[in-house]
Amino acid sequence: NAGVMQNPRHLVRRRGQEARLRCSPMKGHSHVYWYRQLPEEGLKFMVYLQKENIIDESGMPKERFSAEFPKEGPSILRIQQVVRGDSAAYFCASSRQGTGILSPLHFGNGTRLTVT
Amino acid sequence: KNEVEQSPQNLTAQEGEFITINCSYSVGISALHWLQQHPGGGIVSLFMLSSGKKKHGRLIATINIQEKHSSLHITASHPRDSAVYICAVRGSGGSNYKLTFGKGTLLTVNP
Repeated sequence: NAGVMQNPRHLVRRRGQEARLRCSPMKGHSHVYWYRQLPEEGLKFMVYLQKENIIDESGMPKERFSAEFPKEGPSILRIQQVVRGDSAAYFCASSRQGTGILSPLHFGNGTRLTVT
Repeated sequence: KNEVEQSPQNLTAQEGEFITINCSYSVGISALHWLQQHPGGGIVSLFMLSSGKKKHGRLIATINIQEKHSSLHITASHPRDSAVYICAVRGSGGSNYKLTFGKGTLLTVNP
């Protein structure tokens, strides 16, 4: 019974390259959440997705960041033209149900992005 | 002022000591999580609670909704408890999926 799987665990990109972070939710979970943890800062909500829908992207930077959760396959957080300030740990969580119901959240091990 | 405040920021204890980490919040919530993060590691949800008290092994979490305060207690602490403990609150109503996090408490338990 695999938990939330994130890959890669570590990702190094040069400034200007693209970063793709993947998150496979727990089996039976159709709600995915992405969070960012900047060095020396707390975690911050980025985006909430259901299959094929973005429910709330209020925490996403307006430019260069996008997220998707297709009908088949993992959720992807994409960062275009990365800059040094994007270096952070990115965590994904999933739940069986979403708004209106307090469904437990399960977190992945995160992807540590380093931009050189 | 942050919506979620934790204290202390850092805590060092000797093995066997009783530990308390506090969390205060200033917004309406539907639930509160206590999370554990080992250095360089993933995040584990220890508790989700909306009222009262929960216990799991040596860990106890309490919440007082009226006072907007929660505590995490660790009894008979052990070096393997060394980690960052993070308090996170879930919004109320239609935003109950959204977590707002405290900055974490770094706990070091020495043998």
